[in-house]
Amino acid sequence: DGGITQSPKYLFRKEGQNVTLSCEQNLNHDAMYWYRQDPGQGLRLIYYSQIVNDFQKGDIAEGYSVSREKKESFPLTVTSAQKNPTAFYLCASTHRASGRRTDTQYFGPGTRLTVL
Amino acid sequence: DAKTTQPNSMESNEEEPVHLPCNHSTISGTDYIHWYRQLPSQGPEYVIHGLTSNVNNRMASLAIAEDRKSSTLILHRATLRDAAVYYCILRDYNAGGTSYGKLTFGQGTILTVHP
Repeated sequence: DGGITQSPKYLFRKEGQNVTLSCEQNLNHDAMYWYRQDPGQGLRLIYYSQIVNDFQKGDIAEGYSVSREKKESFPLTVTSAQKNPTAFYLCASTHRASGRRTDTQYFGPGTRLTVL
Repeated sequence: DAKTTQPNSMESNEEEPVHLPCNHSTISGTDYIHWYRQLPSQGPEYVIHGLTSNVNNRMASLAIAEDRKSSTLILHRATLRDAAVYYCILRDYNAGGTSYGKLTFGQGTILTVHP
């Protein structure tokens, strides 16, 4: 079955440590995204990538980094510079990099990160 | 960005229709209206989208006002599995006329379905 996988589902981290969240898709989608969701809030865009080896900052990129070495993979690193990293992280993808108005976005199941 | 306004919460009984409203008075002529929903502890999923005409699919119907300043997502027979947060979203475009596909989420409407 085609879809987006994220791992791990739950992640605990000590303050001051970097941690990398995995996102893989087998939908052959061009564009991939990372969102952050805090309790009771909507999603906010962290980073996005329209093509391999290219990515752009979203609305809240500070303290995060990404890479896009393969079309199917878009890992997110939460660095120690992120002041309040505890949140629910969601990865998504879209078929066309141009982001046509009608293209739907497919989401993974999410990773819940807790900083101890 | 064109913004949307939704009620914080709504309740329904199982097997009854549900009408979820969304106001988007600053919508531009080329903005599509998208609806996503998010079940507890899961990623959002696409529900339906439209531009001007009413739309139907297997999940729901979308009724769009003639002036496009509001829309309504209709679940014809609510089930317990429909309990979720429903987001009404307008697509976001940069000045170049193309979009990187960003979805701008508000707080959505929490739908509670009673047995």
